[in-house]
Amino acid sequence: GENVEQHPSTLSVQEGDSAVIKCTYSDSASNYFPWYKQELGKRPQLIIDIRSNVGEKKDQRIAVTLNKTAKHFSLHITETQPEDSAVYFCAARATGFQKLVFGTGTRLLVSP
Amino acid sequence: ETGVTQSPTHLIKTRGQQVTLRCSSQSGHNTVSWYQQALGQGPQFIFQYYREEENGRGNFPPRFSGLQFPNYSSELNVNALELDDSALYLCASSQLIAGTYEQYFGPGTRLTVT
Repeated sequence: GENVEQHPSTLSVQEGDSAVIKCTYSDSASNYFPWYKQELGKRPQLIIDIRSNVGEKKDQRIAVTLNKTAKHFSLHITETQPEDSAVYFCAARATGFQKLVFGTGTRLLVSP
Repeated sequence: ETGVTQSPTHLIKTRGQQVTLRCSSQSGHNTVSWYQQALGQGPQFIFQYYREEENGRGNFPPRFSGLQFPNYSSELNVNALELDDSALYLCASSQLIAGTYEQYFGPGTRLTVT
């Protein structure tokens, strides 16, 4: 079955810096890769996703890149702000399945 | 915020008891998935319902069961509760967009088993 690894587990940056979170997946049939942001005590919130037919997607300060050959994908946050502080989860899903397999999460702390 | 709602918000049960958690999906979403999120971990897939039938299951024992109703709302039932069942239970409803189902989570039910 699918396995998703996520690094780093904790990331501390200064406000205005960039943050990068990386994930690798094992199932080459996976074709959908969402990223979720979860603030303390709240629901995971879908912030961006990418499908396997594209290599990069941007939405304002966040971007996701996908390397299908290497089976890894990354979340990039530029110009970080304190409100970006949260736990970020990557996930992967294979064709024909609805099951999302999540990474272990990255706790991002943005200091003013 | 998504239109996915869950009840109750918090629940405390004793080992061996049974619990029912409820989820109302976002309007127009006909698929509901349930996940278990232990403290400090990512959500783990329990099962999914599509048009009132189970449509996939993760590595959870049969004492985890579910239902989906004609209005697409759903229930998660857990029998013979164990201490390790303590977790945040999330439901996610799905909408088909460009050939892919994007999943939107509800606020979760925090279950504590003592």
